[in-house]
Amino acid sequence: DAGVTQSPTHLIKTRGQHVTLRCSPISGHKSVSWYQQVLGQGPQFIFQYYEKEERGRGNFPDRFSARQFPNYSSELNVNALLLGDSALYLCASSLGRDSQTGNSPLHFGNGTRLTVT
Amino acid sequence: RKEVEQDPGPFNVPEGATVAFNCTYSNSASQSFFWYRQDCRKEPKLLMSVYSSGNEDGRFTAQLNRASQYISLLIRDSKLSDSATYLCVVCLDYNQGGKLIFGQGTELSVKP
Repeated sequence: DAGVTQSPTHLIKTRGQHVTLRCSPISGHKSVSWYQQVLGQGPQFIFQYYEKEERGRGNFPDRFSARQFPNYSSELNVNALLLGDSALYLCASSLGRDSQTGNSPLHFGNGTRLTVT
Repeated sequence: RKEVEQDPGPFNVPEGATVAFNCTYSNSASQSFFWYRQDCRKEPKLLMSVYSSGNEDGRFTAQLNRASQYISLLIRDSKLSDSATYLCVVCLDYNQGGKLIFGQGTELSVKP
């Protein structure tokens, strides 16, 4: 079975540009979450979507936006890129509404490594 | 104050050693607790859930103290393959978005 897939795996952008990251959840999973992980830190929650609706938002500026499609795949968009946006962007899916339960663990993709120059 | 704080690392231990990781959380609305493992340049993977009664999975034992808002992970008889970063994770209740809050991670290096 395919796990969570993210594309692209690596991306280099310049300041001011925008970027779209894509995520396909595990088949049957309806919840998708996005996390940003900078070097040496744990992942930071950006968004959670369940059944195509935003269910949670972390402390990120409005430059960050996301959406979930009818097939439960998701996109993360970042506008007006800053150097500080350079990070590993992780997508995670789970079966249920809650981000994580004992019976519905979160499964992460391999991430997209974004470098902003 | 960070919402989830872990022991600063790295921990360098010999094979066979017992190592303990500590974690504290600040949000009393936290509902669920987990330890994740992240290998270098890989995605985090769930290691184990943490329950108030404490739980064990082979060489790994996790403890939760809700009154002190404290979580621990004990690894016994450490193996070379245990080398990784261990992330303490707290899940807030659904009214707060059900989001996971990760600690900064504690790096473990097990040496021969």
